[in-house]
Amino acid sequence: AQSVTQLDSHVSVSEGTPVLLRCNYSSSYSPSLFWYVQHPNKGLQLLLKYTSAATLVKGINGFEAEFKKSETSFHLTKPSAHMSDAAEYFCVVSPGHSGNTPLVFGKGTRLSVIA
Amino acid sequence: GAGVSQSPRYKVTKRGQDVALRCDPISGHVSLYWYRQALGQGPEFLTYFNYEAQQDKSGLPNDRFSAERPEGSISTLTIQRTEQRDSAMYRCASSTPRGSGNTIYFGEGSWLTVV
Repeated sequence: AQSVTQLDSHVSVSEGTPVLLRCNYSSSYSPSLFWYVQHPNKGLQLLLKYTSAATLVKGINGFEAEFKKSETSFHLTKPSAHMSDAAEYFCVVSPGHSGNTPLVFGKGTRLSVIA
Repeated sequence: GAGVSQSPRYKVTKRGQDVALRCDPISGHVSLYWYRQALGQGPEFLTYFNYEAQQDKSGLPNDRFSAERPEGSISTLTIQRTEQRDSAMYRCASSTPRGSGNTIYFGEGSWLTVV
């Protein structure tokens, strides 16, 4: 079975400081991993995805994540937080052993950005 | 269409009534997924389709929940004899079958409140 653990339910940073949202996964297969962002009253938007190519993945809005198999981690980072980054972030795993397998979501991390 | 479209966006219903939620996926997308997201939680898988065939319905919580996609495009999620615990955001998503890691696009969701 596959699962995702987001280690922090809430992260608060000051504007202009780095962001780190932590995620660990469990999967029986070589997984595909994603980060989605949810702004209030909006749909889920894909930030970035890892699908067994480069381990450092760059996404939209300056976010990136590094796949570390030895640590079973896929932490999301951004060098400098912006007020507009305040949102809910979901780490997501897809088992990867066949196409179209349903995604498994973490419980989410709420990011607050303080001016 | 340009994106995944869900209707209604907001639905308030009395306990015991039946509810039908509609999803219109991105044109040409073969796979269609239904997720449920309770407040403060990540989306949880309900069921998914490839074309008109329901591939996996293991996430449907009980037999009051059903879904169909008769022509391989629009899908309807039906909840019979609604209960207060059914209150949640119901999210639909679609994708193309490009193997593992294919991007899944989400609609803005249907908020269901059972009173």
